[in-house]
Amino acid sequence: AQSVTQLGSHVSVSEGALVLLRCNYSSSVPPYLFWYVQYPNQGLQLLLKYTTGATLVKGINGFEAEFKKSETSFHLTKPSAHMSDAAEYFCAVSGSGFQKLVFGTGTRLLVSP
Amino acid sequence: NAGVTQTPKFRVLKTGQSMTLLCAQDMNHEYMYWYRQDPGMGLRLIHYSVGEGTTAKGEVPDGYNVSRLKKQNFLLGLESAAPSQTSVYFCASTSTGQGFYGYTFGSGTRLTVV
Repeated sequence: AQSVTQLGSHVSVSEGALVLLRCNYSSSVPPYLFWYVQYPNQGLQLLLKYTTGATLVKGINGFEAEFKKSETSFHLTKPSAHMSDAAEYFCAVSGSGFQKLVFGTGTRLLVSP
Repeated sequence: NAGVTQTPKFRVLKTGQSMTLLCAQDMNHEYMYWYRQDPGMGLRLIHYSVGEGTTAKGEVPDGYNVSRLKKQNFLLGLESAAPSQTSVYFCASTSTGQGFYGYTFGSGTRLTVV
């Protein structure tokens, strides 16, 4: 069975600072990994995904994540935070046959001026 | 391109009332899902469907029923609403094409049961 752990329910950064949101996963098969972003009162929007190939994945809005199999991690980073990045971020993993995603509990990113 | 559309967007129910949430997708996706989102608990899968006429239970199915009579629609029913079903409900869909590229989500239904 797959599972996802997101460390930190809230992360606070200053505008212009590095953003690091942590995600560790458990999967019995080679995983597909995803980060989704949710802005207030909206649905979830795909930020980036790892399926196969290059382990450093670039997404929208300057975010990227690196798949590290040895550490079972898929941390999300952005070099310089912007006020518009304030949102909730969800990591998700899939490894089962019928395209099922298991989500982490989410990390709320707060960006201060 | 509408993607995934959920109706209604907001609803207040009294305990014991029933209602149906509608999810419609126009991407010809085979797989559809219903999740609920609660603070601190992320998204939990209620029911899902791998094709027209087929449904299956997810992680938290109790108190809910679903139907997929048409490929583009996935209905979530609450027969007798309880305050514990106060939540934000999201529908999602995906295809079985080459690879797996994640879900497309609707904008959610905020349900309050009083």
